[in-house]
Amino acid sequence: DAGVTQSPTHLIKTRGQQVTLRCSPKSGHDTVSWYQQALGQGPQFIFQYYEEEERQRGNFPDRFSGHQFPNYSSELNVNALLLGDSALYLCASRYWDRGLMGYTFGSGTRLTVV
Amino acid sequence: ILNVEQSPQSLHVQEGDSTNFTCSFPSSNFYALHWYRWETAKSPEALFVMTLNGDEKKKGRISATLNTKEGYSYLYIKGSQPEDSATYLCAFNNAGNMLTFGGGTRLMVKP
Repeated sequence: DAGVTQSPTHLIKTRGQQVTLRCSPKSGHDTVSWYQQALGQGPQFIFQYYEEEERQRGNFPDRFSGHQFPNYSSELNVNALLLGDSALYLCASRYWDRGLMGYTFGSGTRLTVV
Repeated sequence: ILNVEQSPQSLHVQEGDSTNFTCSFPSSNFYALHWYRWETAKSPEALFVMTLNGDEKKKGRISATLNTKEGYSYLYIKGSQPEDSATYLCAFNNAGNMLTFGGGTRLMVKP
């Protein structure tokens, strides 16, 4: 059973461009969250999608937007890229196990903005 | 803004040493505390989800304790092995939809 898969693994974009990152949750998981990890920091919550709607959002500007599809997969879009958007972007899908809520993470997309 | 801190930031130990690190988090509105092990170029691997004050969980040589009243959790590794080298992340969940992560503890075990 595949875990959370993310694509692409790496990409390089130019300032001002737009980027789309993709995530497929683990089979059976219906809720997807996105996190940004800048160098030397812990991951920071961007937003979460459930039933194709954004349910909660972290402290990120409107340039960051997302979408969830009927098959539960998700996209993260970033417009007007800034150098500071260079980071590892992680996707996580949520599960319940014996009453405990947990998150399974993908291995991330490394975005470099030049 | 929720503040989750981990210490130390990095740690070098010899193979066979036992070690521990700390995660501190807000003591109010607690729902769960998560520990992850993260090797470079891989996905973070869930170690423990802890919810009850005084809880202690164990997975092989790794164990964790939780004190929700004072807002801290300890992760212990007994008899460290080179394959334990990784970044260990804790994440606080206050029953919302987000995890608030600490900055991680980077462990390097020398053979």
